[in-house]
Amino acid sequence: GQNIDQPTEMTATEGAIVQINCTYQTSGFNGLFWYQQHAGEAPTFLSYNVLDGLEEKGRFSSFLSRSKGYSYLLLKELQMKDSASYLCAAPDRGSTLGRLYFGRGTQLTVWP
Amino acid sequence: EADIYQTPRYLVIGTGKKITLECSQTMGHDKMYWYQQDPGMELHLIHYSYGVNSTEKGDLSSESTVSRIRTEHFPLTLESARPSHTSQYLCASSLGEQYFGPGTRLTVT
Repeated sequence: GQNIDQPTEMTATEGAIVQINCTYQTSGFNGLFWYQQHAGEAPTFLSYNVLDGLEEKGRFSSFLSRSKGYSYLLLKELQMKDSASYLCAAPDRGSTLGRLYFGRGTQLTVWP
Repeated sequence: EADIYQTPRYLVIGTGKKITLECSQTMGHDKMYWYQQDPGMELHLIHYSYGVNSTEKGDLSSESTVSRIRTEHFPLTLESARPSHTSQYLCASSLGEQYFGPGTRLTVT
């Protein structure tokens, strides 16, 4: 696998900013994905980073540092509907975006 | 919006029965995947396929089989259902990022 590690749980309040971290094995790196999964639903794609730096998509941004084997998902202006599990995933080492290795997910709870 | 479908959405079945979970996608993706996920737990890859007549076992493939005769169709079969198979089964397809179907929630009594 890719030894993906992310925190199990996080909490934050509405309107706040939260950063969800993910570390992964760097050898044969081929990009990093973030998915959102609401309880009882299927995961939905949020972002894909293959180059270093920050990519912004509205309230959500994703950052990657390939040399450090580190990524984070930044959620701004939190809303109650952002309460979900956030999954970090990396493709198989050296593959052409085939199977993904998923982390265990970070369960985010947003309080009013 | 991704066009990937799974049937049935919910299934309750007795121990020992043979069942097939259906998955179809209309996006022409070569790569398809089956995952198993218990509530609040991580995704486990069961099987995957990189194209017609290509299938590979994942990390949790015991007691199930798949076939890929057509690009759009990737059914999963449990030859003899057991209570330990009670779980949610998610199908996905990809060109780059993976698109997931709505899932089949299976209960084996």
